[in-house]
Amino acid sequence: GAGVSQSPSNKVTEKGKDVELRCDPISGHTALYWYRQSLGQGLEFLIYFQGNSAPDKSGLPSDRFSAERTGGSVSTLTIQRTQQEDSAVYLCASSLKGGGGGANVLTFGAGSRLTVL
Amino acid sequence: AQSVSQHNHHVILSEAASLELGCNYSYGGTVNLFWYVQYPGQHLQLLLKYFSGDPLVKGIKGFEAEFIKSKFSFNLRKPSVQWSDTAEYFCAVTPGWTGANNLFFGTGTRLTVIP
Repeated sequence: GAGVSQSPSNKVTEKGKDVELRCDPISGHTALYWYRQSLGQGLEFLIYFQGNSAPDKSGLPSDRFSAERTGGSVSTLTIQRTQQEDSAVYLCASSLKGGGGGANVLTFGAGSRLTVL
Repeated sequence: AQSVSQHNHHVILSEAASLELGCNYSYGGTVNLFWYVQYPGQHLQLLLKYFSGDPLVKGIKGFEAEFIKSKFSFNLRKPSVQWSDTAEYFCAVTPGWTGANNLFFGTGTRLTVIP
C-alpha cells in the first residue's frame, strides 16, 4: 500500500480482555517495528521483524504481549489479559531494510489508541 | 543501555523566533541520528537524518541539526519558526553498525508556536 496501515484506530476494552492490533506495512518493506507511545514516555520499542529472521522481542514488557508477522507482511500485536497500564498508542513502522548502517528510516502508521478501563 | 535525552518537554515561541531543541544520547560508538516530527493529528514523519559526512544536516521545512560528537548531541534548529511548526519533535538514535535493530527515541519535545 501507499503507507503503513493500522487497525483499529481506537480500541476501548475492559481490564482482563485480550486485544489484537493489526499492522499492514508498506509493500516491499522487509523490516517492521512495533512501538508504544505513552504520555510523557516517548516511544518505547516493543518488537522488530526482519524478513524471515527470528524477531527481536527484547522490548516486550511482559509475557502478556506477543506479536507475529505472517508471510513477511501483515503483523498482529496481541495483548492478553489487558491491564490499565497497557493504555497507550501502539505504533507500527516499516522500513525498506532493517539493521543499522543508516538503513533505519522508518515510515510510521497512524497508530492504534488502546484504552483499558 | 542506549538512551536519548530531550530536556525540553514543552517549548512555546512566538512566530519568527529562533528555535533550538536539545538532544543528547549515551551511546559511545558510531551512531545514526534522526529527528522525527508529529504534527497534530498526523503520523510521525522523518524531519532529517545524519549518517556520516557533514555534521550539519538540512531537513525539510528549513530545519537543520548539528551533530557534535564530542558532546554526544544532535540539536535541532530553525532560524525563524512558523505557526505551522507547532508539533511534537522526537530525536532518535541507532547504532551505526550493521545488525542493530533498534531505533531509540527520546521522550519528545512539544513545540507550540503562537501567531
